[in-house]
Amino acid sequence: KNEVEQSPQNLTAQEGEFITINCSYSVGISALHWLQQHPGGGIVSLFMLSSGKKKHGRLIATINIQEKHSSLHITASHPRDSAVYICAVSWGAQKLVFGQGTRLTINP
Amino acid sequence: GAGVSQSPSNKVTEKGKDVELRCDPISGHTALYWYRQSLGQGLEFLIYFQGNSAPDKSGLPSDRFSAERTGGSVSTLTIQRTQQEDSAVYLCASRLQGTGYTFGSGTRLTVV
Repeated sequence: KNEVEQSPQNLTAQEGEFITINCSYSVGISALHWLQQHPGGGIVSLFMLSSGKKKHGRLIATINIQEKHSSLHITASHPRDSAVYICAVSWGAQKLVFGQGTRLTINP
Repeated sequence: GAGVSQSPSNKVTEKGKDVELRCDPISGHTALYWYRQSLGQGLEFLIYFQGNSAPDKSGLPSDRFSAERTGGSVSTLTIQRTQQEDSAVYLCASRLQGTGYTFGSGTRLTVV
């Protein structure tokens, strides 16, 4: 069983919809990361969280340490948000352990 | 530099040949990581360097894989006697303690 589980694996929505991607992990961590990968593109770090909530533009990330769960929300989604979103966890400065990713497609 | 630089961006090699992949991290970033993303697969950890500490090699899939980091900066990942299952995108990332990761654009390795 993967230590990091994401859902859904694939998500298709219409432009303007509110998007939620979920991530659960099995053991205590020091930080959770949300990453974005566009088709054929590199990986961009969106958020690093150890508690609470962070917001950047239309993106919001939350984490519940007790429940070992994080969500990534996108408000007013746009076709340019189409990408693979990856949840990853780390312990201290150690390696990242990745979820399988969520492929998001936003249709105009 | 402004970002993490990887070279080459693409590499096609014949089965059995050795390859070297290079990573130039952001200046001053003490931690450097190599990851691999195989076609249709998720990301997997290969090796991690932190300052002058011994590297964490626990993710290297076989003894054909090795990496070094010279002078705490540039890193080279070497794959000896390449096999077709080594075909993947090899990603390098660097970070400062307590900050997020900055990834390079990757090297797409194809073993034919």
